Amino acid sequence: DGGITQSPKYLFRKEGQNVTLSCEQNLNHDAMYWYRQDPGQGLRLIYYSQIVNDFQKGDIAEGYSVSREKKESFPLTVTSAQKNPTAFYLCASSISTINQPQHFGDGTRLSIL
Amino acid sequence: RKEVEQDPGPFNVPEGATVAFNCTYSNSASQSFFWYRQDCRKEPKLLMSVYSSGNEDGRFTAQLNRASQYISLLIRDSKLSDSATYLCVVIQPSGSARQLTFGSGTQLTVLP
Repeated sequence: DGGITQSPKYLFRKEGQNVTLSCEQNLNHDAMYWYRQDPGQGLRLIYYSQIVNDFQKGDIAEGYSVSREKKESFPLTVTSAQKNPTAFYLCASSISTINQPQHFGDGTRLSIL
Repeated sequence: RKEVEQDPGPFNVPEGATVAFNCTYSNSASQSFFWYRQDCRKEPKLLMSVYSSGNEDGRFTAQLNRASQYISLLIRDSKLSDSATYLCVVIQPSGSARQLTFGSGTQLTVLP
C-alpha cells in the first residue's frame, strides 16, 4: 500500500539533546513537508522540499534542520536550540507544490523529559 | 487579519442535524481550496476539494464564494462519526509551498 510512514509515534527528548524524526513515502511524490501542531492550533510549516537535494525554510524553521538526500525520505532534526519542542509533528507529501492537496503521515508526538 | 480564518467552535449538534462551517481567506487571488478532517490526536485527512461551481460528495457539500472570499462546508444528516475538527486549506498564487495555508480548524461534536 502506498503511503507516508512517520516514526517513532512517540518521542521523548532530554535537555540539550538533538532528536530526529523519520518520514518516508512510497507515493513517488516530489514535494515533502514538515508541520508542527500545538494543542488547539492549526498547522505551521517548518520546512519543505520540492525536489531531492533542495529544501526551504517555512514559517517556524528556527531550531530545526532537514535533509532530502532521497526522494522517499525527509527526516527532521529537532535541535537543542528549539526551546519549546513539545508538539505533534506531521509530515506530508504532494505530487508537486502547485495546487495539489497534501497527504499526511500519522504523526510523531514529541515531549520533553 | 489572518490569511485564513475559521470559527473554532465547538459546534455541538444532534444526530441528523445539518451543520455548516465557513472559512474566510484574505488573498483574493487564492486559487485552490480544500477541506480536511482531523480526528483527535490523528493526522489530517483530505475530505474534499472545493470547486468554483460547488461540489457534493454524499452528505457533504462544499462551496466557494469568491466575491465574499469564503468557502463553506455543509454536512447533512450528521452522524456520530462526523465528530472531528474540520480544517480548511487555501492555496495562494505564489508557486511555492508557503502558498498553502491551513485554518486552525472548527471542532464538531455530533451528539446522540
